[in-house]
Amino acid sequence: EAGVVQSPRYKIIEKKQPVAFWCNPISGHNTLYWYLQNLGQGPELLIRYENEEAVDDSQLPKDRFSAERLKGVDSTLKIQPAELGDSAVYLCASSPGLAGAQETQYFGPGTRLLVL
Amino acid sequence: DQQVKQNSPSLSVQEGRISILNCDYTNSMFDYFLWYKKYPAEGPTFLISISSIKDKNEDGRFTVFLNKSAKHLSLHIVPSQPGDSAVYFCAASPRAGGTSYGKLTFGQGTILTVHP
Repeated sequence: EAGVVQSPRYKIIEKKQPVAFWCNPISGHNTLYWYLQNLGQGPELLIRYENEEAVDDSQLPKDRFSAERLKGVDSTLKIQPAELGDSAVYLCASSPGLAGAQETQYFGPGTRLLVL
Repeated sequence: DQQVKQNSPSLSVQEGRISILNCDYTNSMFDYFLWYKKYPAEGPTFLISISSIKDKNEDGRFTVFLNKSAKHLSLHIVPSQPGDSAVYFCAASPRAGGTSYGKLTFGQGTILTVHP
């Protein structure tokens, strides 16, 4: 079974440029998460989707970050414009999405962003 | 406010001996706990989990212990192998039904090095 797929794996951009990350979750997983991981820290949740609905986006900096999951499968996270402090690893995770159940989240390899 | 803490940034162990990684949490709403392993340039890989209704869960060489009264969990790896060398993150999730349900809060990670 294929795991969570993310692309690109690495991205280098200049500040003020836009950037987008793509994620395809494990087949059949209804819940999708985007996390941000800074160097030497654990991942921090940015947004959680249940199917196509963003059910928790309280940690997403909405002035420059946006995300979508239009058909409830793959998802895109966008930053516009990027700032130097956005340099980090952006991780996507998915879980089955069984109502009321504690679930294990499975992570993709991440996109490493460097903003110059 | 760090709700999940891993106070040891690194741990060095001889091959064949036991590795013990520790994690403390402060939020009493957490009721599901997970350990992830992360190799460089890869996403976190799920290792083992435990629900708050248990105090121990075992999977092969890996055992997780939960002490709810002390708000402490630990991961035991025995025997340790050089391939276990990685960064280990503990994570916690609140009980189902709340607004933060599904949000994993991670510790800062512990770098485990197993020497041959």
